[in-house]
Amino acid sequence: ILNVEQSPQSLHVQEGDSTNFTCSFPSSNFYALHWYRWETAKSPEALFVMTLNGDEKKKGRISATLNTKEGYSYLYIKGSQPEDSATYLCACANAGNNRKLIWGLGTSLAVNP
Amino acid sequence: GAVVSQHPSWVICKSGTSVKIECRSLDFQATTMFWYRQFPKQSLMLMATSNEGSKATYEQGVEKDKFLINHASLTLSTLTVTSAHPEDSSFYICSAREGASGRTNEQFFGPGTRLTVL
Repeated sequence: ILNVEQSPQSLHVQEGDSTNFTCSFPSSNFYALHWYRWETAKSPEALFVMTLNGDEKKKGRISATLNTKEGYSYLYIKGSQPEDSATYLCACANAGNNRKLIWGLGTSLAVNP
Repeated sequence: GAVVSQHPSWVICKSGTSVKIECRSLDFQATTMFWYRQFPKQSLMLMATSNEGSKATYEQGVEKDKFLINHASLTLSTLTVTSAHPEDSSFYICSAREGASGRTNEQFFGPGTRLTVL
């Protein structure tokens, strides 16, 4: 069974701090890695999809990296703002299970003004 | 773009009744829709995948006769929880994929439905 782990489970930072979270996944039969941002009472919003080892993606102050050989991805937020407060989910697709997405539990980020 | 709506956002029902949840893609045609369930302190779990005009594919352990899925058009999929019981109380969320998305399998999510069965 594919297991996707995220750490930390929750994080409190001050406005302006930079932070990062980790998503780890089995590296065998890797297909794609997704990051989503989920604010309370809203729809999860797709941030990045990465497929190649060494991929780096950036959207504004948020960026992500991917290491498929060791099975991890980092999400970075530079200069956190209160509006960044949300749960950040990663999901991994594996070629061996019909490429369906297997989700981590998420990292809950709270940015204090 | 790529907005998915879900209705209702929350529902409370009595044990034994059936509940229908709608998932609509508002500005694109969704050839594939996914239904997920999330129990407290657990991750999103895929229940079934539905393709427009064909029968849904259910994940192991999900009863197809209990969770009826209909994907009759390119913009609408429904999930009906039949004869609901308290253990069906959960957060149900749908996502939609536009056409063949290739390797990225990018999915657009609805806001979810909180079901409470008394």
